[in-house]
Amino acid sequence: GENVEQHPSTLSVQEGDSAVIKCTYSDSASNYFPWYKQELGKGPQLIIDIRSNVGEKKDQRIAVTLNKTAKHFSLHITETQPEDSAVYFCAASRTSGGSYIPTFGRGTSLIVHP
Amino acid sequence: DTEVTQTPKHLVMGMTNKKSLKCEQHMGHRAMYWYKQKAKKPPELMFVYSYEKLSINESVPSRFSPECPNSSLLNLHLHALQPEDSALYLCASSQDPRAGYTFGSGTRLTVV
Repeated sequence: GENVEQHPSTLSVQEGDSAVIKCTYSDSASNYFPWYKQELGKGPQLIIDIRSNVGEKKDQRIAVTLNKTAKHFSLHITETQPEDSAVYFCAASRTSGGSYIPTFGRGTSLIVHP
Repeated sequence: DTEVTQTPKHLVMGMTNKKSLKCEQHMGHRAMYWYKQKAKKPPELMFVYSYEKLSINESVPSRFSPECPNSSLLNLHLHALQPEDSALYLCASSQDPRAGYTFGSGTRLTVV
């Protein structure tokens, strides 16, 4: 089955700095990679996703990059703000030829200090 | 409406009680899920409903019983739970099983 490793487990930055969270996956057939943000007391929220036919996707201050050869993908947050503080989960799944159920990384707790 | 609504938000129950968790979405999503999440851990899949039929049961104990009365509603019936079942129970939905999920805010369950 798929195995997703996520690093770091905790990331502390100053407001305005950039934050990068990295994930690796093991199943070369995985082709869909969503990122979820979970604030305290809430459910995870899908913030951005990428499919294996593109290498990068941006949405305002967040971007995701994918390296299929190395089997890793990363979340980049620029100009961090205190409201970015949350736990971020990466995930990997297939969209054909097997289970569609995502495998989640263990999560990264991002703390943005004002 | 772009939300998944879960009720109740908090639930405390004894080990001999029977209770139900409810989940509702009106986005026309055809796949619905129950996840269990312990503190500082990722969500763990329990059940998947696709087009109102149970398609995946991740070897969940029978004291958890899912039900999908229609395409908008998902219930999780609880009976004879153990203290270790205390967790955040999350409902999610997606347009189809290959798409990203919309999660509800969860039910914080405490078993005493």
